[in-house]
Amino acid sequence: DAMVIQNPRYQVTQFGKPVTLSCSQTLNHNVMYWYQQKSSQAPKLLFHYYDKDFNNEADTPDNFQSRRPNTSFCFLDIRSPGLGDAAMYLCATSMMTSGAPSSYEQYFGPGTRLTVT
Amino acid sequence: GEDVEQSLFLSVREGDSSVINCTYTDSSSTYLYWYKQEPGAGLQLLTYIFSNMDMKQDQRLTVLLNKKDKHLSLRIADTQTGDSAIYFCAETFGGYNKLIFGAGTRLAVHP
Repeated sequence: DAMVIQNPRYQVTQFGKPVTLSCSQTLNHNVMYWYQQKSSQAPKLLFHYYDKDFNNEADTPDNFQSRRPNTSFCFLDIRSPGLGDAAMYLCATSMMTSGAPSSYEQYFGPGTRLTVT
Repeated sequence: GEDVEQSLFLSVREGDSSVINCTYTDSSSTYLYWYKQEPGAGLQLLTYIFSNMDMKQDQRLTVLLNKKDKHLSLRIADTQTGDSAIYFCAETFGGYNKLIFGAGTRLAVHP
C-alpha cells in the first residue's frame, strides 16, 4: 500500500549530539512537511518542501534543518538537540498541481518519538 | 496570526453522542479537518469539510461549519470505547496545504 514511512519510530540522542530523522513516501507527492508535536500539545509545522523548494516557517529554530534528496525521501536534521527538542516528529505529504492542492488530504506518517538525554 | 482553539477534555458515556467544538481565525481556509490521534500514534484523518459547505455527514460522524462565527464541530453518534483518543481540529493556512492545529480535545468514553 502507498504510505508515509518514518524511521526510526523511537530515537534517543544525547544533548548536543546531531541526529537525523528519516521520512519516505510511496505516494509520489510533491509536497513534504515536518511537524513537531511536544507532549500534550498541537502539532506545529516546522517547514515544508514543494518539490525541491524549501520553505521554513518563521519561528522554526535554526537548529532544525531539512534535506530532500529526491521526491521520495525527506530528512530532518537537528544539529544540536536540546532537552526542549524532545517531541514526536511527524512527516506528512500532499499533492499540489499548478500551485493548488490536488487533494484535500495530507497523509501523515506514524511519527518518530525523539528523546534527548 | 492564525489560531485554532478547542476545549481540552470531554467525557461521555458509551452510546451517547459526543460533540467536540473548535474555533478558528483564518477565514480564507479552504478546508477544515478533524484528525484523531491514539496514544503513541500518528494522526489519522477522520473527516474534512470544504469551506463552502455547512454540514457533512459520514457514517457516525457529522461535521458542522458556521463560517460566520468561524466555528467547527464534530459530532460522533453512538460513541464507543474505541473512540477514546485525542481529536484535533485543523485548518489550512498560507497555501501549500499547510495545517495549523488546535491543542486537541481528549475524549474519554466510559461505560
